[in-house]
Amino acid sequence: RKEVEQDPGPFNVPEGATVAFNCTYSNSASQSFFWYRQDCRKEPKLLMSVYSSGNEDGRFTAQLNRASQYISLLIRDSKLSDSATYLCVVNAGNQFYFGTGTSLTVIP
Amino acid sequence: NAGVTQTPKFRVLKTGQSMTLLCAQDMNHEYMYWYRQDPGMGLRLIHYSVGEGTTAKGEVPDGYNVSRLKKQNFLLGLESAAPSQTSVYFCASSYIWGGGGTLYEQYFGPGTRLTVT
Repeated sequence: RKEVEQDPGPFNVPEGATVAFNCTYSNSASQSFFWYRQDCRKEPKLLMSVYSSGNEDGRFTAQLNRASQYISLLIRDSKLSDSATYLCVVNAGNQFYFGTGTSLTVIP
Repeated sequence: NAGVTQTPKFRVLKTGQSMTLLCAQDMNHEYMYWYRQDPGMGLRLIHYSVGEGTTAKGEVPDGYNVSRLKKQNFLLGLESAAPSQTSVYFCASSYIWGGGGTLYEQYFGPGTRLTVT
């Protein structure tokens, strides 16, 4: 079983739409949680950390459910510039575990 | 600050050749990582280091060696390259957050695109 599982998509949504990505992780001892964004042929960059209480950064909202071992990312009012692959990342011990990524294309 | 840098950016090797990829970070991070990324596979950990002079195996260590002689540098070596090692290689660094011993975000280098023919 993979440590982190994501729906690979692709998600194709119109500008202004709301889109949600989900992720599950298998290690109940996981300590920290993140969403990264990766543009084509570029390195991953941190989008936001995910806290148990949930957190918001502008149009982006992240939620963590430790009991269900589930992480989500909600993007509101999608922009063309949001088109990218979104990686769910979980830290346990000294290592980070990556989902395979969810591809998002925002269409004009 | 340059953050995390990787050299070279691109390389083509013939099967059996050797090479070393260099990763350097100027953020004084203790933790450094080497990943490979292949289509549909996500990022897979090759080796990592929790401090100068230490290294540990990740998920896919076979065919690779690493060294962390200086805190700021983490080298990845391929002794005898194989076509299966064609990939994009990313280096990353991280640090402990607060007093709880939890690792915070990773900072990535721009990647090295390696082709083995």
